[in-house]
Amino acid sequence: QVQLVESGGGVVQPGGSLRVSCEASGFSLSNYGMHWVRQAPGKGLEWVAFIYYDGSKKYYTDSVKGRFTFSRDNSKNTLSLQMNSLRVEDTAVYYCAKQFAIGSNSFDSWGQGTLVTVSS
Amino acid sequence: DIVLTQSPATLSLSPGERATLSCRASQSVSNYLAWYQQQPGQAPRLLIYDASNRATGIPARFTGSGSGADFTLTISGLEPEDFAIYYCQQRSIWPLTFGQGTRLEIK
Repeated sequence: QVQLVESGGGVVQPGGSLRVSCEASGFSLSNYGMHWVRQAPGKGLEWVAFIYYDGSKKYYTDSVKGRFTFSRDNSKNTLSLQMNSLRVEDTAVYYCAKQFAIGSNSFDSWGQGTLVTVSS
Repeated sequence: DIVLTQSPATLSLSPGERATLSCRASQSVSNYLAWYQQQPGQAPRLLIYDASNRATGIPARFTGSGSGADFTLTISGLEPEDFAIYYCQQRSIWPLTFGQGTRLEIK
C-alpha cells in the first residue's frame, strides 16, 4: 500500500536552514504530483508547496516563496523540501501528501509528518 | 486567495446522531472541494473528493454535497471513531486552501 515517510525535522534558529525529506513507496511516484502541507501546533492545515509528477512545475504559498524549494528524484522515490531563512512562524509539523490523480489536487495519502521547530 | 469558512467551529453530539458540517467559499470553487478527518496526533485522512465522491474505504455514513460556494458534510449515525476535527479544502484555484476546521465532540 501507499507509504510516505518524512524525515529531517528538528530544531533550528531563526534565519537558519533545514531540509526535510519524504520517501515514497507502494505506488509509482513518477505518475503523481506531490505536496507539502504543514500544521502549526494546535492550529489548522496549511498547504505549502506542490511539484508536478516530472518536476517541471512547482507552486508555493506566498509566505514561503523565495525561501523554500521543493524537489524530487523519481529514480530514488524521494522528495525534498529545502527550507532557508526560517522564521518562527514556520514552526509546524510538515506532511508529505500525494496528489489524488493528475489534475486533481486533493490529498489521498499522507505521511506521519515531521516536526520543524524554529526557535532561538 | 479563496477563503473557506467552516461552521460551526465546534459541534457537540451524541453517538448515533446526525452531524451536519458546513463549508462556505469566498467565491465559487465549482465542485472542487474535499473533506478530511483528523484524529488527535494523526495525519488527516481524505473522506470526500470533488464535493460528493467518497474516497476508498470511507463508510457510506459520510456524505458530501454542494457546489459553487456552499458545501455540506453529513455524517449519519455517528460512531465513536467519528469524533475528530474535519477540514474542507478547495483545489479550484492556487493557492490551495483549507477551512479552519470543525471540531466534532462527544456530548
